[in-house]
Amino acid sequence: AQSVTQLDSHVSVSEGTPVLLRCNYSSSYSPSLFWYVQHPNKGLQLLLKYTSAATLVKGINGFEAEFKKSETSFHLTKPSAHMSDAAEYFCVVSDWNYGGSQGNLIFGKGTKLSVKP
Amino acid sequence: DGGITQSPKYLFRKEGQNVTLSCEQNLNHDAMYWYRQDPGQGLRLIYYSQIVNDFQKGDIAEGYSVSREKKESFPLTVTSAQKNPTAFYLCASSHGQGPNQPQHFGDGTRLSIL
Repeated sequence: AQSVTQLDSHVSVSEGTPVLLRCNYSSSYSPSLFWYVQHPNKGLQLLLKYTSAATLVKGINGFEAEFKKSETSFHLTKPSAHMSDAAEYFCVVSDWNYGGSQGNLIFGKGTKLSVKP
Repeated sequence: DGGITQSPKYLFRKEGQNVTLSCEQNLNHDAMYWYRQDPGQGLRLIYYSQIVNDFQKGDIAEGYSVSREKKESFPLTVTSAQKNPTAFYLCASSHGQGPNQPQHFGDGTRLSIL
């Protein structure tokens, strides 16, 4: 069965420094992976998705993620944090397996990013 | 602009009362979903619907019910059988279901017990 593990529940960085949010996945198939961001009391917004076309995926707001099959990881990075990046981030895998599952999304428990001025 | 509208933003439920959360989308998406979000637990799937007049239970369907009479609408009823309904509820939609289909989310309804 597919699953995701976000390795940090809370990450704190200073404005202008790099951001690294870690995610490991488990999947019996070639996975589809997503990163979503949620600001307080808001819905989730798609940052980027990996669908096997390229291992380095660029998303919105300067974020990118690299798919590493050997490490079963899909970490999210940004070179320079901005105050507006403070939010909760979710790593997500699709449970699609071409054999009948519905393609529902399985969410990690989230990483809260704090950005200090 | 196309999007998903959830209402109300805040909702309070009395003991023994059923309440209904509204979700409307104008994205012409076939699939719709309801999630429950609790602090530190991520999102858990309650119900989903791939097409009008059809829906399936998700991981935590007990105490909830849904209907899908129109493509654009997918209301969720939290029944009195749901003993711990306090949570943030999110509705989502997608073009269809498949490995590469991202979901688009509404801004949520926060439900509390009086």
